[in-house]
Amino acid sequence: DTEVTQTPKHLVMGMTNKKSLKCEQHMGHRAMYWYKQKAKKPPELMFVYSYEKLSINESVPSRFSPECPNSSLLNLHLHALQPEDSALYLCASSLGTGTQSPYEQYFGPGTRLTVT
Amino acid sequence: GQSLEQPSEVTAVEGAIVQINCTYQTSGFYGLSWYQQHDGGAPTFLSYNALDGLEETGRFSSFLSRSDSYGYLLLQELQMKDSASYFCAVNTGFQKLVFGTGTRLLVSP
Repeated sequence: DTEVTQTPKHLVMGMTNKKSLKCEQHMGHRAMYWYKQKAKKPPELMFVYSYEKLSINESVPSRFSPECPNSSLLNLHLHALQPEDSALYLCASSLGTGTQSPYEQYFGPGTRLTVT
Repeated sequence: GQSLEQPSEVTAVEGAIVQINCTYQTSGFYGLSWYQQHDGGAPTFLSYNALDGLEETGRFSSFLSRSDSYGYLLLQELQMKDSASYFCAVNTGFQKLVFGTGTRLLVSP
């Protein structure tokens, strides 16, 4: 199983709402990533989890809060978002985060988020 | 800072060969990956070069020259389904990939 799943596929939320995005993989990968992607732009790294611990936070605003409950699951909690946060949110995983490991990442289909 | 530059768009016809270039300046370099992303889809891994030279995987080949901070993806026998965005990405060795600006490939009949 080389699949990364993400739910929901689409999400519309108001600026005062709280919602969560979910990501799951069963490949035994020990590194998981959250990316944000705007239209016609490359994926932009937000967070990296290595062995269930947060190892990189790319100066992401605190209205985005990641969580890794176990080695297969990754959540992204959202609250008080702004319209400019509307984007495709991609989850990815890789075997590990050793120097060579991040090169091959498996991406989920993404959650298309619209903030109104 | 980190920068990976790619042409914004490339057009070609079915059956042709096309080359997508990537020049990079990054703090840390362990290798260059290539990803394909169809509209509305997820990026999918195509190839990786850690050492100089050419890597071939079916119709796709990827080349790296570390001394020139340059790589390219070569797509042969183009098919309509190859129309997509292509991203180079540097493995900086700091637990992450840094993605290039992306190249939109349009294949016409």
